Amino acid sequence: GENVEQHPSTLSVQEGDSAVIKCTYSDSASNYFPWYKQELGKRPQLIIDIRSNVGEKKDQRIAVTLNKTAKHFSLHITETQPEDSAVYFCAATIPSGNTPLVFGKGTRLSVIA
Amino acid sequence: DAMVIQNPRYQVTQFGKPVTLSCSQTLNHNVMYWYQQKSSQAPKLLFHYYDKDFNNEADTPDNFQSRRPNTSFCFLDIRSPGLGDAAMYLCATSRRGGGDNEQFFGPGTRLTVL
Repeated sequence: GENVEQHPSTLSVQEGDSAVIKCTYSDSASNYFPWYKQELGKRPQLIIDIRSNVGEKKDQRIAVTLNKTAKHFSLHITETQPEDSAVYFCAATIPSGNTPLVFGKGTRLSVIA
Repeated sequence: DAMVIQNPRYQVTQFGKPVTLSCSQTLNHNVMYWYQQKSSQAPKLLFHYYDKDFNNEADTPDNFQSRRPNTSFCFLDIRSPGLGDAAMYLCATSRRGGGDNEQFFGPGTRLTVL
């Protein structure tokens, strides 16, 4: 089955700097890669996703890149703000039938003002 | 305009005493999921329903059961909670099956086992 590795487990950046979180996956058939943000004590929420037919997707200050050959994808947050502080989870799946999402272990991002 | 509602938000039970957690949704989504999330860990899928079709993860203990009496409601029953079952339990929904549909999570129920 699919296995998703996520690094780093914790990340601290100064406000205004960029943050990058990286994930690798094992199943070459996976072709959907979402990122969820979970603020302290709150529910996970989808912030961006990418499918294997594109290499990069951007939404304001966040972007995701995908390298299918190397089987890794990354989340990039630019101009970080204190409200970006949260745990970020990457995930991967094969979007067919009942195949569920496989999550990475999460990255705790702290943005220091 | 809460979309995925979980009750209670906090549940305290005693070792071995059965407990039921509930989830309801106003989205009319076909799929409902139950996840267990322990501190500083990723959500771990326990099982999910695609309509009435139940899908159990291979490593979900028999101690955990689920019921979905209708589209809107789904229950998680823990028959004999152990100390290791203390966790946040997250319910989620998606419109269709297949992992490429956005999952909408509820606020979670934090279970404490004494």
